[in-house]
Amino acid sequence: NAGVTQTPKFQVLKTGQSMTLQCAQDMNHEYMSWYRQDPGMGLRLIHYSVGAGITDQGEVPNGYNVSRSTTEDFPLRLLSAAPSQTSVYFCASSYSRTRSFTDTQYFGPGTRLTVL
Amino acid sequence: SQQGEEDPQALSIQEGENATMNCSYKTSINNLQWYRQNSGRGLVHLILIRSNEREKHSGRLRVTLDTSKKSSSLLITASRAADTASYFCGYIRDDKIIFGKGTRLHILP
Repeated sequence: NAGVTQTPKFQVLKTGQSMTLQCAQDMNHEYMSWYRQDPGMGLRLIHYSVGAGITDQGEVPNGYNVSRSTTEDFPLRLLSAAPSQTSVYFCASSYSRTRSFTDTQYFGPGTRLTVL
Repeated sequence: SQQGEEDPQALSIQEGENATMNCSYKTSINNLQWYRQNSGRGLVHLILIRSNEREKHSGRLRVTLDTSKKSSSLLITASRAADTASYFCGYIRDDKIIFGKGTRLHILP
C-alpha cells in the first residue's frame, strides 16, 4: 500500500490564484481530513469527511472547499489564495472516526504552500 | 483555543536522560492518542490510551492519563538522538479530531 499520498509537495501561488491540493489513500479508509500546520499553532483542522459524499467543516474552514466523490480521494481547493494561507498542509485518514477514537490516523507527507 | 495544550513547548535534554511532556485538554474525552512528527513530515502514531486506563507502556514510552485533571503525559526513557522530534496529543472534541500545539524535543549528544 502507498498509504496516504499528497501532491504537490511544494507550491508557490500568487494572491488570488486558485489551486487544488490532492490527497489520496489506498487503505479503504472511511475518514479523511485536512490540517494546516503553522509555527507555534500546531495542527488545525480545516475540513473532514466521514465517508464518500459527506464533508464537514473543521476549526478553520474559511477560504477552503472540499469534496469527497470517492472513498480514495479528498481534494482541498483554495478558491482565491491569500498570504494568510501560506502553511504546510497535511491530509490524514483512518478506518473510521468513532467517538471512542481508537483508530490510528495516517498522515500524508504534506504540501508546503507559499502565497505571495 | 479549541486545541489541547502541550507543555513544555520545547524541551532540550542530554542523550540518555528521560523526557516528559504533558498534554491538557478542555473537554471530556473517551481516548487519547500520542503522535510524533519528525521535521517536516507527517505525524506518526505512537500510542493510544483509553479513558479507563491510567497508565500504558510501549517500549521506552510511558503514557499516563488523568481524566479528573484533563491531562496526559508522555515519558520517553533513556532518550536517543533519534527521539528528536515534535510530539502531539490528539483527541476528539465535538466530533472533530483535534491535535495540540505539540512539544519540540531536542536530544543533545
